[in-house]
Amino acid sequence: DTGVSQNPRHKITKRGQNVTFRCDPISEHNRLYWYRQTLGQGPEFLTYFQNEAQLEKSRLLSDRFSAERPKGSFSTLEIQRTEQGDSAMYLCASRHGFETVNTEAFFGQGTRLTVV
Amino acid sequence: GENVEQHPSTLSVQEGDSAVIKCTYSDSASNYFPWYKQELGKRPQLIIDIRSNVGEKKDQRIAVTLNKTAKHFSLHITETQPEDSAVYFCAARQGAQKLVFGQGTRLTINP
Repeated sequence: DTGVSQNPRHKITKRGQNVTFRCDPISEHNRLYWYRQTLGQGPEFLTYFQNEAQLEKSRLLSDRFSAERPKGSFSTLEIQRTEQGDSAMYLCASRHGFETVNTEAFFGQGTRLTVV
Repeated sequence: GENVEQHPSTLSVQEGDSAVIKCTYSDSASNYFPWYKQELGKRPQLIIDIRSNVGEKKDQRIAVTLNKTAKHFSLHITETQPEDSAVYFCAARQGAQKLVFGQGTRLTINP
């Protein structure tokens, strides 16, 4: 499968624990996005990278959340001191972005986080 | 920032009939409008998109229309089939920015 890959697919954690998710984008896609989706809602933007640079962070992203894309390829999203409200599907998307050309964003299957 | 509103939240149609889902956006600078289909437990997948330099685009049974003046765009599905049942999301983006999604429409096709 050469699409966007996310691991793990499911994660159950106790409140207060730290969790880390990984996203492997489509090869050579320079833009990578993280979204959060709760039941019955559309994906909400969290943050995005162009290559290794984190260009924008949503106000939804509290200081407990951090994302990295150290070599401009895969990305990790870490949540520290998880809370029950963090329970959601975390989606990663990637695309080959140009300033003047709008290209399709491809989504991964997501990581479903349950905080108990 | 951009805000996208989507209606209706649920839609039920008889197989073979047409379905229409509507979205409005707030940022007149947005110039890319994709529609995603998400089946239960699966990733969102692009089904059609439109750029601001055209008013309508069609792909077999699916069409999208865009009214830049009114800042709204719509998804039209004709001759609906059971496999069209899913949640559909509209989105808007300006240039290199992120996609902003609507709240979604759960479409049910009744046999």
